Amino acid sequence: NAGVTQTPKFRVLKTGQSMTLLCAQDMNHEYMYWYRQDPGMGLRLIHYSVGEGTTAKGEVPDGYNVSRLKKQNFLLGLESAAPSQTSVYFCASSYERGRFFTGELFFGEGSRLTVL
Amino acid sequence: GQQVMQIPQYQHVQEGEDFTTYCNSSTTLSNIQWYKQRPGGHPVFLIQLVKSGEVKKQKRLTFQFGEAKKNSSLHITATQTTDVGTYFCAGPEGGSEKLVFGKGTKLTVNP
Repeated sequence: NAGVTQTPKFRVLKTGQSMTLLCAQDMNHEYMYWYRQDPGMGLRLIHYSVGEGTTAKGEVPDGYNVSRLKKQNFLLGLESAAPSQTSVYFCASSYERGRFFTGELFFGEGSRLTVL
Repeated sequence: GQQVMQIPQYQHVQEGEDFTTYCNSSTTLSNIQWYKQRPGGHPVFLIQLVKSGEVKKQKRLTFQFGEAKKNSSLHITATQTTDVGTYFCAGPEGGSEKLVFGKGTKLTVNP
């Protein structure tokens, strides 16, 4: 099993460009998450999904869009990249242990994005 | 929204010394999770605590969940260089599936 796979691992963008980060998991997990990690800020939740076809906003959703058309994939889009979006992005997935009870998160290796 | 505060932000110890990081939530948590992130790596799950007053041990690591389920701690006995990394706590916001992380405690160990 590959677990959680993120592509691309590195990307450099110019301000105003768009791009999509892909997250794929092969564990049949219901829940998927996108976090960004900046120095001294910990992990901040951007968007998450509790199942195929559903998405919800996290702590810092502005400037990002997501889609979960298939259960195994969770896409994070930047429509018009800004330097403030320079960060390391982590995707994670988890199984549902019960209503509102998240199991352990399995993280991908991260995608380092630089916006010039 | 819910806040998960973690202290200290940084901790430097000599190898063999003990280390403790504390996590405090502004609201009662149904459960709390702890993760470790090695330098340059991704967060890896360590443990989940569910019950009030729960204490769990993993070798030299001891995890506690407060009686009021609003705070938690991770204690490492006799640190080793392999313990280097950032330790995060995380809790669900408002009984949802939204998992909110503390800012982490970065541990460095001097051999």
